[in-house]
Amino acid sequence: IAGITQAPTSQILAAGRRMTLRCTQDMRHNAMYWYRQDLGLGLRLIHYSNTAGTTGKGEVPDGYSVSRANTDDFPLTLASAVPSQTSVYFCASSPGTSDTGELFFGEGSRLTVL
Amino acid sequence: AQRVTQPEKLLSVFKGAPVELKCNYSYSGSPELFWYVQYSRQRLQLLLRHISRESIKGFTADLNKGETSFHLKKPFAQEEDSAMYYCAPRRGANNLFFGTGTRLTVIP
Repeated sequence: IAGITQAPTSQILAAGRRMTLRCTQDMRHNAMYWYRQDLGLGLRLIHYSNTAGTTGKGEVPDGYSVSRANTDDFPLTLASAVPSQTSVYFCASSPGTSDTGELFFGEGSRLTVL
Repeated sequence: AQRVTQPEKLLSVFKGAPVELKCNYSYSGSPELFWYVQYSRQRLQLLLRHISRESIKGFTADLNKGETSFHLKKPFAQEEDSAMYYCAPRRGANNLFFGTGTRLTVIP
């Protein structure tokens, strides 16, 4: 089934550990995004990428890094996890410039940092 | 500064009753506006966009520039409408911001 795949689905992590959330899309979309979803705060944009080789910061980028080596993959890395990064993380994609504004979302990765 | 406000975190209505989910935005100019929905155990997905002026699953949303609102309405709620709804204004590429969301429960 075409779309966005995120891994892992769920993870419990000790504070201070490094973690990479994976995101792969097979729709050949140019733009990709990472959001975190927290109760009472909605979805907040962490980082985005307009096209392979470029990335940009969203609303809440601190403590996170991304890379976009190719069109399909957009991993999100927590270099040293902290409990405040406990959240549900959503990867999304869109066709890119001049698109309709519709984002296509993955199923989410639930991360718990202890 | 708050860019988009959904004042109700929780909203319950009876089946067949009208429903209105409120959204107010504070962007200057004319942002594009969207409603996204997340049903239980499903992915977040686009419900409708204001520029299309469409009705999806019986829902409509009118942009009121004077009140800077984009409320989502449906005349007769159905049980399958129970979900989390997010208002999302977009101002330029990569600037899609989501509100805090409203969880709608339709009571049978």
